[in-house]
Amino acid sequence: QKEVEQDPGPLSVPEGAIVSLNCTYSNSAFQYFMWYRQYSRKGPELLMYTYSSGNKEDGRFTAQVDKSSKYISLFIRDSQPSDSATYLCAMTPDTGRRALTFGSGTRLQVQP
Amino acid sequence: DSGVTQTPKHLITATGQRVTLRCSPRSGDLSVYWYQQSLDQGLQFLIQYYNGEERAKGNILERFSAQQFPDLHSELNLSSLELGDSALYFCASSPILRGDRPGYTFGSGTRLTVV
Repeated sequence: QKEVEQDPGPLSVPEGAIVSLNCTYSNSAFQYFMWYRQYSRKGPELLMYTYSSGNKEDGRFTAQVDKSSKYISLFIRDSQPSDSATYLCAMTPDTGRRALTFGSGTRLQVQP
Repeated sequence: DSGVTQTPKHLITATGQRVTLRCSPRSGDLSVYWYQQSLDQGLQFLIQYYNGEERAKGNILERFSAQQFPDLHSELNLSSLELGDSALYFCASSPILRGDRPGYTFGSGTRLTVV
């Protein structure tokens, strides 16, 4: 069983929809939770991160962490065609610049 | 442009051959990470270097090796290549070992195709 599970999709939604992307994990040592966005043939770029449980909002993006359920989510409001990409969750126990554990990524397609 | 430069962008080579992938980290970043991304395995951590020294090893095959040079650029050497080594290889960098935020900056990757 993988440490981090993520539905690969693809997930197709109409423009303006609210998108929910999720990951589950098994390692209770994880404290920092990140979401990366990867456009086709590009490297992943960090969208946002959260520490421990709770919510964090950045514009149209909201990240949620529920450590009791070992479940994290990324919500995208008013989705745009430019949001079409693969979204990867990543986790680490601390900021000690160690290797991150990634989910396999969810491919999102926002239809105009 | 993320500031992490990887060359070449594409590489096509035959089985059994040896290739070298190069990475220049962002200016000032001391730590370099190599990841492999394949369709069925996602992003897999290979190896990390910090200021010229190996810091951590992941699922890196014995046929693969890496190093970080005094100017902080890094090279990933892949030898005795097999078809299954075809993948995207990413380099990432971060400024210091422990910071106030997690994560690091990725380059655009090298797409390796073994035929």
